[in-house]
Amino acid sequence: NAGVTQTPKFRVLKTGQSMTLLCAQDMNHEYMYWYRQDPGMGLRLIHYSVGEGTTAKGEVPDGYNVSRLKKQNFLLGLESAAPSQTSVYFCASSGTSRNNNEQFFGPGTRLTVL
Amino acid sequence: QQPVQSPQAVILREGEDAVINCSSSKALYSVHWYRQKHGEAPVFLMILLKGGEQKGHDKISASFNEKKQQSSLYLTASQLSYSGTYFCGTERPGNQFYFGTGTSLTVIP
Repeated sequence: NAGVTQTPKFRVLKTGQSMTLLCAQDMNHEYMYWYRQDPGMGLRLIHYSVGEGTTAKGEVPDGYNVSRLKKQNFLLGLESAAPSQTSVYFCASSGTSRNNNEQFFGPGTRLTVL
Repeated sequence: QQPVQSPQAVILREGEDAVINCSSSKALYSVHWYRQKHGEAPVFLMILLKGGEQKGHDKISASFNEKKQQSSLYLTASQLSYSGTYFCGTERPGNQFYFGTGTSLTVIP
C-alpha cells in the first residue's frame, strides 16, 4: 500500500497563475482533507470531503476550490495564486468509524508563490 | 476556532517528563494527538473519545476531560526520539476537524 500520496512535491508559481494539487489514497477511506501549514499556525483545514462527490468548506477556504470525482482522489485547485498562499499543503484521509478515524497524511507539497 | 495548546515549546533532558495541554471553547466529539518531525508529515499517536477516557501508548498517555473540553498528553521518561512538534486535533459536529498550533518538544541528552 502506498497510503496517501501527493503530487507535486514542490512548486513555484507566479502571482495570478493557477495550479491543481492531487491527493490519492489507496485505503478505501471515505473522508479526505486538505490542510495548509504555516509557521506558528499549525495545520488549518481548507476543505474536506466525506465521500465521493461531496465537498465542504473548512476553516480557511477562500482562494481554493476542491473536487472529489473519484473516491480515491481529492484535488485542490488555486485559480489565481497569491503570495499569501505560500505554504506547505498536506492531504489526509481517514475512515468513518468514530472509534478509529485517525488521519493518514501525505508527504506534503511545498508551494511558493512569487 | 483552533484549540489552544500549552506550552508552545519545551526542552527536556532524556528521562524527564512533560505534559502538553489542549483546550477548546467548543464541544468536542473526540481529541486526536499527532507528532510531526521536522520536514515530515504528522503521524497519529492516539484518539480519545467522549467519556473522559485515558489511553496509553508505551510511555505516552493522554486524558480527555469532556466537561472542560480539555485534553492532556503525558510523556514520561522522555527519549531522544520524542523530539518533534505535537498537535492536538479536535473533531466537532459536522466532521469539522481543527488542529492546535502545536507544541515544540526538544529532548536533549
